[in-house]
Amino acid sequence: SQTIHQWPATLVQPVGSPLSLECTVEGTSNPNLYWYRQAAGRGLQLLFYSVGIGQISSEVPQNLSASRPQDRQFILSSKKLLLSDSGFYLCAWSVLSSAFFGQGTRLTVV
Amino acid sequence: QQQVKQSPQSLIVQKGGISIINCAYENTAFDYFPWYQQFPGKGPALLIAIRPDVSEKKEGRFTISFNKSAKQFSLHIMDSQPGDSATYFCAASRGSARQLTFGSGTQLTVLP
Repeated sequence: SQTIHQWPATLVQPVGSPLSLECTVEGTSNPNLYWYRQAAGRGLQLLFYSVGIGQISSEVPQNLSASRPQDRQFILSSKKLLLSDSGFYLCAWSVLSSAFFGQGTRLTVV
Repeated sequence: QQQVKQSPQSLIVQKGGISIINCAYENTAFDYFPWYQQFPGKGPALLIAIRPDVSEKKEGRFTISFNKSAKQFSLHIMDSQPGDSATYFCAASRGSARQLTFGSGTQLTVLP
């Protein structure tokens, strides 16, 4: 069966520090991969998606970037975090139509 | 045109009652409509989904009703239970990348 791993679960980072969140999927090949952000009490906003290795599409211009160095690995990065980057970051994967989410990373920028 | 509008924002239902959450979309390119259930601090979990060529889909106590002409779809939770208390999101996807556009969420509270 397919599983998605996302870490860390929580992260507190100072303003201006770098960020690297990693997501890996097991049990499937060539999945579509996604990064979403969820502000407190709000809906999910699509940040990036990838249909293959090295292929990244950005939905919202911002302080973040994404990379897909391997088929089942998706990384969300920032060179310098802003206070507004705080939120709940979710990685997801899909092969056909259904998307499945990881357990998320709660990022607090202080 | 990319938005999915969801209502109500919050819903309180007595145990055993019916919970109804509604969503509407504008973009006719959407071709897949899932519902997700999210508990605090957890990632959303796929609950049930429907395609626009079907008007209704039922899985256990959960039913999606879909009205293609009105561009609306809804989630019905029959015999609601306190364990159903969570935030529910409707979504719509399109295109080869299947990226999802989410509604704003409904916080459901089922009173015992």
